[in-house]
Amino acid sequence: GEDVEQSLFLSVREGDSSVINCTYTDSSSTYLYWYKQEPGAGLQLLTYIFSNMDMKQDQRLTVLLNKKDKHLSLRIADTQTGDSAIYFCAESRSFQKLVFGTGTRLLVSP
Amino acid sequence: NAGVTQTPKFQVLKTGQSMTLQCAQDMNHNSMYWYRQDPGMGLRLIYYSASEGTTDKGEVPNGYNVSRLNKREFSLRLESAAPSQTSVYFCASSDQTGGSNQPQHFGDGTRLSIL
Repeated sequence: GEDVEQSLFLSVREGDSSVINCTYTDSSSTYLYWYKQEPGAGLQLLTYIFSNMDMKQDQRLTVLLNKKDKHLSLRIADTQTGDSAIYFCAESRSFQKLVFGTGTRLLVSP
Repeated sequence: NAGVTQTPKFQVLKTGQSMTLQCAQDMNHNSMYWYRQDPGMGLRLIYYSASEGTTDKGEVPNGYNVSRLNKREFSLRLESAAPSQTSVYFCASSDQTGGSNQPQHFGDGTRLSIL
């Protein structure tokens, strides 16, 4: 299919790790992205990974890519209440056209 | 550091009215994009402009027109607004010089309601 799929909702406690999963469709996608959207705001680029990489780490964020299964995940270590937001994965297709998932709403409780 | 600026932030229209959404970027990016975001859905591409002077349809172009006024500005026009166009509209830009696949940077959105 054409869709990029994500689970709709994730709830964690402050201090725990969060793992947000994404399944994409186009094996030729060169880059895969994670964006964060806070209420009433636009999309903020968190991180991205090139398709020839398996893992990328950036401070509290770890991205894992399984090309065989077309599976992408975002792990947030030591999750804080300020991490509560909607997280979108996106894959790049021709001419950097991004196809977005439906977004995962992360709720962090104290 | 304005980045991508969209105006207006909010707008209410009546069915059949026309409106232009404005977008400007100050990052000297050559490519610009318009998306719409609907509840429970990701962003869907309406139109994009690979470079000044060119525009192309995205996934959901019907009912919209665009103008790439210059390198900085890319506007989206609704000629005859319909309730189905109630949505949040996002503009984005990226640097595609030399084929490099740089990330897109987004504005804060325009929330449009059509009654």
